[in-house]
Amino acid sequence: QKEVEQNSGPLSVPEGAIASLNCTYSDRGSQSFFWYRQYSGKSPELIMSIYSNGDKEDGRFTAQLNKASQYVSLLIRDSQPSDSATYLCAVKKKTSYDKVIFGPGTSLSVIP
Amino acid sequence: NAGVTQTPKFQVLKTGQSMTLQCAQDMNHNSMYWYRQDPGMGLRLIYYSASEGTTDKGEVPNGYNVSRLNKREFSLRLESAAPSQTSVYFCASSTRDPSTNEKLFFGSGTQLSVL
Repeated sequence: QKEVEQNSGPLSVPEGAIASLNCTYSDRGSQSFFWYRQYSGKSPELIMSIYSNGDKEDGRFTAQLNKASQYVSLLIRDSQPSDSATYLCAVKKKTSYDKVIFGPGTSLSVIP
Repeated sequence: NAGVTQTPKFQVLKTGQSMTLQCAQDMNHNSMYWYRQDPGMGLRLIYYSASEGTTDKGEVPNGYNVSRLNKREFSLRLESAAPSQTSVYFCASSTRDPSTNEKLFFGSGTQLSVL
């Protein structure tokens, strides 16, 4: 079992719709959770970080964390063609202070 | 402010050759990382370093060695390159401070091909 898993893509949504990206993790000791966006041929960039159960909103992005279910999600409202990218979920473990593990990524295409 | 600088950007090796990928950061970060990225695999952690002089294995350390000689620099060495090591390699650094979101700052990547 992979430590971090994401819903398989590619995911296509029409412009203006809500895109929902999901991530599960295996280590209950994980304490920090991140969503990175990566455009083709570029380096990943941080979109959101979340540490506590519940929702965290930043503009059109909402991260949701449920530690009991070991589940993290990212919602993108009013999706734009510029949101087309690969979204990477990442998890930092408490037991290994600096170890950051990424999921395989989900490719999102927003269709105009 | 350069951030994280990786060299080289591109490299072609023959099977069995060795090389070192260099990474340097100027943000005074404690933590540094080496990842590789293959199609459909996301980023896989090779090695990481929590501070100068310390290194730890990640998910896929076999065939690689690292060196953290000072706070700024973290190098990745392939002693005997294999075609399976063809990949894009990313170096990253971060602080441990949650107030900065513990953000990973990435270099621009190295495209390595092993023939």
